[in-house]
Amino acid sequence: DAKTTQPPSMDCAEGRAANLPCNHSTISGNEYVYWYRQIHSQGPQYIIHGLKNNETNEMASLIITEDRKSSTLILPHATLRDTAVYYCIVRVVDSGYALNFGKGTSLLVTP
Amino acid sequence: GAVVSQHPSRVICKSGTSVKIECRSLDFQATTMFWYRQFPKKSLMLMATSNEGSKATYEQGVEKDKFLINHASLTLSTLTVTSAHPEDSSFYICSARVPGSPNEQFFGPGTRLTVL
Repeated sequence: DAKTTQPPSMDCAEGRAANLPCNHSTISGNEYVYWYRQIHSQGPQYIIHGLKNNETNEMASLIITEDRKSSTLILPHATLRDTAVYYCIVRVVDSGYALNFGKGTSLLVTP
Repeated sequence: GAVVSQHPSRVICKSGTSVKIECRSLDFQATTMFWYRQFPKKSLMLMATSNEGSKATYEQGVEKDKFLINHASLTLSTLTVTSAHPEDSSFYICSARVPGSPNEQFFGPGTRLTVL
């Protein structure tokens, strides 16, 4: 799996958009960008994934740059319940191997 | 979506005892399950890959005789921490792979183990 780099922490005001960046400059052509989050003392939760097109679901949007070397996860209207550690993971889809979690970004949503 | 449960959610035991943690896929069959360990303020670290009907594959540095993994059915994998010591206190999380699902893995809620 390609290596990813994320800022260790970020703050966001409640109701505002949270934009979480991820660098993955060594990504291969068949590797997808996955985002998971972990709320304190819970198991990780899948958010979204994409290959090269921007993706949106009920939780978030994923913006991938044209060269695919970086991406941004957008939580459009952050709530206090979005406070969590967000992990950006790059991997070949359905490889059968375990997810490799880096250090992630600790997002604190404040009132 | 697929649901993975873990039992117990929290356990406290004395040093030297063994503790069994169960991981179940509730509404799907999981041929592959993964076990992770997470220390406070750290990321998840993969301990082992559990395949139904075969021996688990352990990551480097994880003692297979201490962390016994059994995946006897398509819906249940167990992790037994043998002769637990305080340094084994951690958050243990399992996940199950759903082949073909866009969500690579579904995670259990975790088990908090405290060894006194």
